[in-house]
Amino acid sequence: EAGVAQSPRYKIIEKRQSVAFWCNPISGHATLYWYQQILGQGPKLLIQFQNNGVVDDSQLPKDRFSAERLKGVDSTLKIQPAKLEDSAVYLCASSSLQGIAYEQYFGPGTRLTVT
Amino acid sequence: AQSVTQPDIHITVSEGASLELRCNYSYGATPYLFWYVQSPGQGLQLLLKYFSGDTLVQGIKGFEAEFKRSQSSFNLRKPSVHWSDAAEYFCAVVVLDDMRFGAGTRLTVKP
Repeated sequence: EAGVAQSPRYKIIEKRQSVAFWCNPISGHATLYWYQQILGQGPKLLIQFQNNGVVDDSQLPKDRFSAERLKGVDSTLKIQPAKLEDSAVYLCASSSLQGIAYEQYFGPGTRLTVT
Repeated sequence: AQSVTQPDIHITVSEGASLELRCNYSYGATPYLFWYVQSPGQGLQLLLKYFSGDTLVQGIKGFEAEFKRSQSSFNLRKPSVHWSDAAEYFCAVVVLDDMRFGAGTRLTVKP
């Protein structure tokens, strides 16, 4: 079975610009997660979707970050405007069962550099 | 404060040697516990997980981990390391659906 797909793999932008990342989860996986992984740190959950509804977005900086999963399949994470501290790898993961305790399958990530 | 600690930022072992990566957590309740591995340019892959029951858990690629409640630890072990095991290893805990990752331990394998 195909894994979690993410694009682009790399992105370089200047501060105050906007950027969007795309994720296509494993087919049939209802739950989708976006994580931010800053260099030298573990991943931090930004948002969790169950189908097309938001389950948890408590750690999403909503003044500049937004995410959607309109049809309950693929998802887009947007940053507008970007700051230097947003430089990180953005990981998408999916799982077949609700609840963060169940096994998550991760995509390769998008490495964002903000200059 | 609730936290997940991986005390070793970087470990180097010789190929064929044994390996132990440490993970400690600070939570009031017993969490669900996970170990993930991340190879360069790749996403995270689940090695093993502990929810309840037998405190010695077997995972993929020859890894195992032992949950010790008294020490709030969940250390990862492998009896004989292969060069392909070089990667970043993350411990993660889940309490009440809140998942926290440790900062990771980078493993280098010497020939």
